[in-house]
Amino acid sequence: QQQVKQSPQSLIVQKGGIPIINCAYENTAFDYFPWYQQFPGKGPALLIAIRPDVSEKKEGRFTISFNKSAKQFSLHIMDSQPGDSATYFCAAPDSSYKLIFGSGTRLLVRP
Amino acid sequence: DTAVSQTPKYLVTQMGNDKSIKCEQNLGHDTMYWYKQDSKKFLKIMFSYNNKELIINETVPNRFSPKSPDKAHLNLHINSLELGDSAVYFCASRRTSGGANEQFFGPGTRLTVL
Repeated sequence: QQQVKQSPQSLIVQKGGIPIINCAYENTAFDYFPWYQQFPGKGPALLIAIRPDVSEKKEGRFTISFNKSAKQFSLHIMDSQPGDSATYFCAAPDSSYKLIFGSGTRLLVRP
Repeated sequence: DTAVSQTPKYLVTQMGNDKSIKCEQNLGHDTMYWYKQDSKKFLKIMFSYNNKELIINETVPNRFSPKSPDKAHLNLHINSLELGDSAVYFCASRRTSGGANEQFFGPGTRLTVL
């Protein structure tokens, strides 16, 4: 079964900082790597996703960097805001139906 | 509103009881999931149905029984509840055709077993 290792477990940055969250995966059979954002009391919601035919994808202040040879991908949040404080999950597919989620990173952005 | 909805939002019950959680999606998706999120926020898949057919059945105690009466509904029945069942249970759905991958999550059901 696919393993997805996510780090760090928690992260505190000042407003305007650039938090970086990293993920490593094992199974290279599939081509979809999403990041989900979860606010307290809510369900996870898709933030941004990448296919490994590109090395980077940017949507607003959120960027995914993808290193296919190293089987790693990371999330960068530019100009972070207190409203970005949430738990972030990376995920990788283990089959055409199944996503395996990383252990989550709790991000706190201080004002 | 188009969404994935779950009922109830909170469920507090005694050990040994039997309870059910219901999920409905009006997104027209053909695949639905149940996830368990523990106190450390770890999100683990439990079951998945595609067009009412069970396609994922992880290592879950057989006290947990999912049922999908139709593509838009997926329920979870739990027998003989134990303290360790306390968690937040999320339902999710996805459209598998057209290469769509995004899973849409419901708001969660917080189960507390006393």
